[in-house]
Amino acid sequence: QKEVEQDPGPLSVPEGAIVSLNCTYSNSAFQYFMWYRQYSRKGPELLMYTYSSGNKEDGRFTAQVDKSSKYISLFIRDSQPSDSATYLCAMSRGGYNKLIFGAGTRLAVHP
Amino acid sequence: AAGVIQSPRHLIKEKRETATLKCYPIPRHDTVYWYQQGPGQDPQFLISFYEKMQSDKGSIPDRFSAQQFSDYHSELNMSSLELGDSALYFCASSLNSRGSYNEQFFGPGTRLTVL
Repeated sequence: QKEVEQDPGPLSVPEGAIVSLNCTYSNSAFQYFMWYRQYSRKGPELLMYTYSSGNKEDGRFTAQVDKSSKYISLFIRDSQPSDSATYLCAMSRGGYNKLIFGAGTRLAVHP
Repeated sequence: AAGVIQSPRHLIKEKRETATLKCYPIPRHDTVYWYQQGPGQDPQFLISFYEKMQSDKGSIPDRFSAQQFSDYHSELNMSSLELGDSALYFCASSLNSRGSYNEQFFGPGTRLTVL
């Protein structure tokens, strides 16, 4: 069983929809939780990170971490066609440690 | 702003050949990470270096070796290439501030195809 599980999708939504992306994990030692966006044939780009449990908001993006359930989420409000990409959750034990990625969810936002 | 540079961007090799991938971190970054992303797969950690010393090791085959040089650039050497080594290889760099979060900035990747 993988340490981080993520539904690969694909997920197709209309422009303006609220998108919910989720990951579960098994290693309780993870302290940092990241969401990366990856466009085709490009390197992952950090969207947001959260330390321990709680919520974090940045513009149209909200990240939630529930360590008791080992469950993290990313919400995208008012989704745009430019949000179409693969979204990878990633986790680490420390702020400088290797990242453990989920499989990535492919999102398509159509006009 | 300067980003992580990887070269070459594309590489085609035959089975049993060797390959060298290079990574130039963001200036003043002291830590380099290597990840392998197979087709349709998530990135898998291979190895990392902090201040030119190996800091962590993941699922890196014995056929692969890596090092970080005095100018902080890193090279991943791959020998006896196999078809299964075909993947996108990412390098990421960060500025290590122990005790806090260090964002890893990813390069564009090197796409290796083994025929």
